[in-house]
Parts: sequence; structure tokens; C-alpha cells
Amino acid sequence: DAGVIQSPRHEVTEMGQEVTLRCKPISGHNSLFWYRQTMMRGLELLIYFNNNVPIDDSGMPEDRFSAKMPNASFSTLKIQPSEPRDSAVYFCASRTTSVKQFFGPGTRLTVL
Amino acid sequence: SQELEQSPQSLIVQEGKNLTINCTSSKTLYGLYWYKQKYGEGLIFLMMLQKGGEEKSHEKITAKLDEKKQQSSLHITASQPSHAGIYLCGADTSGNTPLVFGKGTRLSVIA
Repeated sequence: DAGVIQSPRHEVTEMGQEVTLRCKPISGHNSLFWYRQTMMRGLELLIYFNNNVPIDDSGMPEDRFSAKMPNASFSTLKIQPSEPRDSAVYFCASRTTSVKQFFGPGTRLTVL
Repeated sequence: SQELEQSPQSLIVQEGKNLTINCTSSKTLYGLYWYKQKYGEGLIFLMMLQKGGEEKSHEKITAKLDEKKQQSSLHITASQPSHAGIYLCGADTSGNTPLVFGKGTRLSVIA
């Protein structure tokens, strides 16, 4: 198994541009999570899906952030328009009930 | 809401020394997870604890969950440079909800 796959690994963009982060969860996992990690705030949950349905998006900081999961093997996190304060490492994770949560390698986003 | 406090925030130890990292929850836990993260990389799963009083070991790392299931400790014996990184504890309150994480403990091991 390839584990949770994220792309791109690094993204540098200018303020105001649209950013799309991608995630492929582990096959068979029915829950998918998007986290953001910063030095100041640590690892924060943004949104999670169960069986492709968004369950809780209360962690999404603003309307500029949106996430989709069109099928069981793919999810996107989009920021439009991006701002410098969005710079962080974004992690995708997946799991099934009562099983350990696996994390992807993360996408390091820098917004200039 | 669930809150996790980790201590210490950072730790510098000499190679060969033992160390302990603590994680305290504001609520009773269904499960407690320990992960390790190296700079620029993802989180690597270390251990999951679910039963009060449970203790698990992996190589030189031992983690324990207290009887009340609100506090966990991670102990490293005879630390090595390869143990350096950020250790994060994650709380699971029901078995089917996202993990909530502490701020992490940054460990440095010096020769």
C-alpha cells in the first residue's frame, strides 16, 4: 500500500492566486481528514469526511477555503484567493473506525 | 471541546539519557495516539492506547495511559540522535471522530 498520497509536496504562490491541494486516501478507509500545521497553532483540523460526505467543516478558517470529496479515492482542498497567513503545512489523513489514523507527507504552502 | 496539553514544549537531552513526555486531556479518552514527526515530513504512527492502565512498547519507546484515561506518558530509554523530532499526542473521544492534537514536544538529542 502506498499510504496517503498528497500533491503537490511544495507550493509557492502569490497572494490572490487560487491554490488546490490534492489527497488520495488509503484504499478502504472511509474517513478523510484535512489538517493544517503552523508553529503558532500546532496541528488543527480543518474538515473531515465520512463516506465522502463532509461531516464537520467548523475548522475551515474562512469562506476562502473549500474542500470536496467527489469519490472515495480523491479529495481536494482549495484556497481562493490565497493570503500570506495561509502559509502552513497541510496534511491529509485517513482511517477506518477505531483504527489508527494515517497521515500523508503534507503539502508545504508558501503564499508570498 | 477537547483539549490536550503536552509537556514539556521542548526538551534537549544528552545521548544515552532517559526522558519522559506527558500528555493530559481535559476529557476522558476513547483512545490516545502518539506520533513522531521529523522536520518537513509527515506524522509517523508510534502507538495507540485504549485501555486504562495500558502500556505499550516499541523498541526503546514506552507509552502508558493512566487508569482514568486522561493522561498519557511517553518514555524513551537511552535516547539516540534518531529519536530527535516532534512528538505529538492525539486524542480520540469516540472511536469515530477526528483526532485532536496537542501542540507537540520538540526533542533534541545531543551527542
